[in-house]
Amino acid sequence: DIQMTQSPSSLSASVGDRVTITCRASQTISSYLNWYQQKPGKAPNLLIYAASSLQSGVPSRFSGSGSGTDFTLTISGLQPEDFATYYCHQSYSPPYTFGQGTKLEIK
Amino acid sequence: QVQLVESGGDLVKPGGSLRLSCVGSGFTFTDYFMTWIRQAPGKGLEWLSYINSGAFGTGFTIYYADSVKGRFTISRDNAKSSVHLQMNSLRAEDTAVYYCARGRGRSWNPYDFWGQGTLVTVSS
Repeated sequence: DIQMTQSPSSLSASVGDRVTITCRASQTISSYLNWYQQKPGKAPNLLIYAASSLQSGVPSRFSGSGSGTDFTLTISGLQPEDFATYYCHQSYSPPYTFGQGTKLEIK
Repeated sequence: QVQLVESGGDLVKPGGSLRLSCVGSGFTFTDYFMTWIRQAPGKGLEWLSYINSGAFGTGFTIYYADSVKGRFTISRDNAKSSVHLQMNSLRAEDTAVYYCARGRGRSWNPYDFWGQGTLVTVSS
């Protein structure tokens, strides 16, 4: 199985900051990497797919990059509604595993 | 509008069984594969199972996570726009919110819409 490791596990930042979350796969997954945002008590919401493609309706301050085994999610200019937990997810090979999550908190 | 509505979550004793359902509406169900994902209280997301659309009449392609293989069975009824998860031999560690999610076309596509989740509690 492919293991997905996110870092950091938690992160404190302020409104307006630029933050980066990293996801590493235990083997190459090409660009089959997706990012989801989850707020407390809600279902996850797709932000980025295929490593760098922005899902329709998602603000352009979210961006993704990477290929192979190393990926990043960047949020440029944090907004109050961005404080949530973020998960990476590989859709390259079943079982389609998630990272453990990164909780983004307000500083 | 697109909806995925899960049901069937309940309190069940260890060793018991439960069948979850997820009904889709507002989209062409056979254009999408379906997945089940769960989230234990205070924990992260765990991918469980996948079933393709079955739209070409060649049967279904199905995958499971090792943690549920042999205990859980995914199925779908395209005529009723529904997907199900039969859960047997339930354990305390199966306690979680269970989400269904859809993805368009091929298995490597992302999950672009999720249901609201249904809570399964396994406890004596």
